[in-house]
Amino acid sequence: DTGVSQDPRHKITKRGQNVTFRCDPISEHNRLYWYRQTLGQGPEFLTYFQNEAQLEKSRLLSDRFSAERPKGSFSTLEIQRTEQGDSAMYLCASSLGVGGPSRETQYFGPGTRLLVL
Amino acid sequence: AQRVTQPEKLLSVFKGAPVELKCNYSYSGSPELFWYVQYSRQRLQLLLRHISRESIKGFTADLNKGETSFHLKKPFAQEEDSAMYYCALGRGSNYKLTFGKGTLLTVNP
Repeated sequence: DTGVSQDPRHKITKRGQNVTFRCDPISEHNRLYWYRQTLGQGPEFLTYFQNEAQLEKSRLLSDRFSAERPKGSFSTLEIQRTEQGDSAMYLCASSLGVGGPSRETQYFGPGTRLLVL
Repeated sequence: AQRVTQPEKLLSVFKGAPVELKCNYSYSGSPELFWYVQYSRQRLQLLLRHISRESIKGFTADLNKGETSFHLKKPFAQEEDSAMYYCALGRGSNYKLTFGKGTLLTVNP
């Protein structure tokens, strides 16, 4: 499968624990996005990378959240001191970034479903 | 602030009937609009973008700047169209998408 992959697919943790998710984008894609989706809502933008540079972070991303893309390939999203409100589906998407935003297609991964008890 | 509104959470039609999924947006600049679809047990994927002005799987969507709408239409719904549909707004140079809450379309036999 050459699509976007995410690991793990499911994570159950206790409040206060740290969790880390990984996203592997499509290999030649230079842009990578993280979104969060809660029940009954559409995906909400969290952050995005162009190559290894993190170019924008949403105000939804509190200080407990950090994302990296160290070599411009895979990315990790870490949540420290998890809270029950962090329970959600975390989606990763990647894109090739040519032709401007109107022509860009974001390819989504299957998501990581987080449950904080 | 930019916002995407999909007023219907659920839409149910019979096979062969026309379908229209509504999307309204608010954005002061020049919008880039998309429809994404998620079939059961599959990942979110792009269905169509306004700039292409093409029909995908029989679906079309026209950007109406006067009414700030980007409704998705299909003249004859098929059972395989049953899915969750999200309207999304992309803006400016930062490429991020603002999604609506989605409409779950069910096409009954």
